[in-house]
Amino acid sequence: GAGVSQSPSNKVTEKGKDVELRCDPISGHTALYWYRQSLGQGLEFLIYFQGNSAPDKSGLPSDRFSAERTGGSVSTLTIQRTQQEDSAVYLCASSEWSYEQYFGPGTRLTVT
Amino acid sequence: AQRVTQPEKLLSVFKGAPVELKCNYSYSGSPELFWYVQYSRQRLQLLLRHISRESIKGFTADLNKGETSFHLKKPFAQEEDSAMYYCALSTTGFQKLVFGTGTRLLVSP
Repeated sequence: GAGVSQSPSNKVTEKGKDVELRCDPISGHTALYWYRQSLGQGLEFLIYFQGNSAPDKSGLPSDRFSAERTGGSVSTLTIQRTQQEDSAVYLCASSEWSYEQYFGPGTRLTVT
Repeated sequence: AQRVTQPEKLLSVFKGAPVELKCNYSYSGSPELFWYVQYSRQRLQLLLRHISRESIKGFTADLNKGETSFHLKKPFAQEEDSAMYYCALSTTGFQKLVFGTGTRLLVSP
């Protein structure tokens, strides 16, 4: 079946603008994760959704970052007032409960 | 706080040579350790997890709690092993993975 999809694949935005990144998880997967990969850094956990539970937002770097998951499926990561340090590849992953995470192709965000 | 360290950014070997990608972690409890791999133009994917104790594509990794290490090994490297390898840690199954910075393995003919 289809894997995790993310859109857009690339996004270039001007500093100060808001951006929305989308993740479509594998159908039926209850858990959804967002990670960020900055140049020279490892993958950094951002936020985790599990079923109807309150999301674990402990990895969000600032209050400019937020995410929601509608209907237990699609998720949107929003970055407000983007800064140059937000430039990174944003990865989404989904899993059945706490089993193996399947990653999407990522969205490369460039803030100019 | 949990931390994963991969000291080598790049590891370059010749085909047929043994490979060891180093991974050290810091966590006071009993973590679960994983190796993920990303081949060129492909998605990040799970290679192996320590509790499975299995060999995938000839790779093995043993969790050494005394040395807090989870090094990835393969006795004879192949060109198709060239990829980016990430070591990751979780304190609760697959949730909230903490990744290292990755090691690029380059296997030359």
